[in-house]
Amino acid sequence: AQSVAQPEDQVNVAEGNPLTVKCTYSVSGNPYLFWYVQYPNRGLQFLLKYITGDNLVKGSYGFEAEFNKSQTSFHLKKPSALVSDSALYFCAVRDRLNTNAGKSTFGDGTTLTVKP
Amino acid sequence: DVKVTQSSRYLVKRTGEKVFLECVQDMDHENMFWYRQDPGLGLRLIYFSYDVKMKEKGDIPEGYSVSREKKERFSLILESASTNQTSMYLCASSISGTGAYEQYFGPGTRLTVT
Repeated sequence: AQSVAQPEDQVNVAEGNPLTVKCTYSVSGNPYLFWYVQYPNRGLQFLLKYITGDNLVKGSYGFEAEFNKSQTSFHLKKPSALVSDSALYFCAVRDRLNTNAGKSTFGDGTTLTVKP
Repeated sequence: DVKVTQSSRYLVKRTGEKVFLECVQDMDHENMFWYRQDPGLGLRLIYFSYDVKMKEKGDIPEGYSVSREKKERFSLILESASTNQTSMYLCASSISGTGAYEQYFGPGTRLTVT
């Protein structure tokens, strides 16, 4: 079984400050991990993914995420937030042992608000 | 540039009507998905298709059916719409296989059932 949790419904940061959006996961084997972003009235867009290797993954728009196997976490980070980063963020996981290769499990989402 | 399109951005239907939501992708992807998105509930998978005419139930298939007659097109059908099916519906597609393939999403259809 695979599951993912986003413990914060809402994250508020000031523009220019670093931001972190948290994600923890549970899988039977090893995970593929993904972050997606949804801007208002838009579909989800892929941001970045963890496959293997380097625990720090860099993605679009200056975002990065840190994979921590011992803590089963994959937190999304950005060194300096922009107002335009305000959006809904989803973490997703897929167990590499999942023979149904297409299906990922999504978290409930975290609303990020960046204030000027 | 990859593209997933959905037939309507907004749709208003009456209780009991049969509703068709269409999704088309131009990336030759094998996998296609239908999700519904509700505040506080994240994305919930309704149905998944991994090939033409092949489908699997997701987490919340009740009240829905799907059709995939061509590789690029995946339709979601509400046989008899009910008010509790008022939601945002998202279609997605991805490459098939055991790799870490991300999903590509359409813009969504906001369905209101009155």
